[in-house]
Amino acid sequence: DTVLTQSPALAVSPGERVTISCRASESVSTGMHWYQQKPGQQPKLLIYGASNLESGVPARFSGSGSGTDFTLTIDPVEADDTATYFCQQSWNEYTFGAGTKLELK
Amino acid sequence: EVQLQQSGAELVRPGTSVKLSCKVSGDTITAYYMHFVKQRPGQGLEWIGRIDPEDDSTKYAEKFKNKATLTADTSSNTAYLKLSSLTSEDTATYFCTTSGIHGVCGYWGQGVMVTVSS
Repeated sequence: DTVLTQSPALAVSPGERVTISCRASESVSTGMHWYQQKPGQQPKLLIYGASNLESGVPARFSGSGSGTDFTLTIDPVEADDTATYFCQQSWNEYTFGAGTKLELK
Repeated sequence: EVQLQQSGAELVRPGTSVKLSCKVSGDTITAYYMHFVKQRPGQGLEWIGRIDPEDDSTKYAEKFKNKATLTADTSSNTAYLKLSSLTSEDTATYFCTTSGIHGVCGYWGQGVMVTVSS
């Protein structure tokens, strides 16, 4: 299985720029997608194909990377962005990362 | 607008099985792969498997091959997840979600909590 590794938690101040990383144990080309999950809710698609913004998602969110290293950037961060962010690959079957919990200071 | 409506919370005994449903509205289920994802309390997301309702072909994550069975009923636009030989490790919220061939999970159900307890 392709293992996706994410940093567990980040804390930033509103207005700052934050990058959330996801590293794959083997190449997934650009088959990487990002989701936001708030407590008690289902995940929501933010970015697909590593860098494509899902319709309706604010342009503050962006994604980059290919192969094994990927990044989700939020710039600027707003209070409503408090959530857990998951990466998911669909190049080698399907796996999710463990999630990065974003908290605002 | 596509919506996924999942069945209600379940309290089940260890050793038994449970069948969860996920009804698609706003589109035909055959337009998508239907996936199920597990989330234990306070934990991350685990992909269980997916079914193609067009031909009933399935794929499962290795750890769920003897635990989960996916089916679909095109007449009712509904996908199902059956979990067998339940243990406390199966206590979790289960989400259904749709994707196209590229595996991007665009629509999600609200999730259903399954509690395994005697």
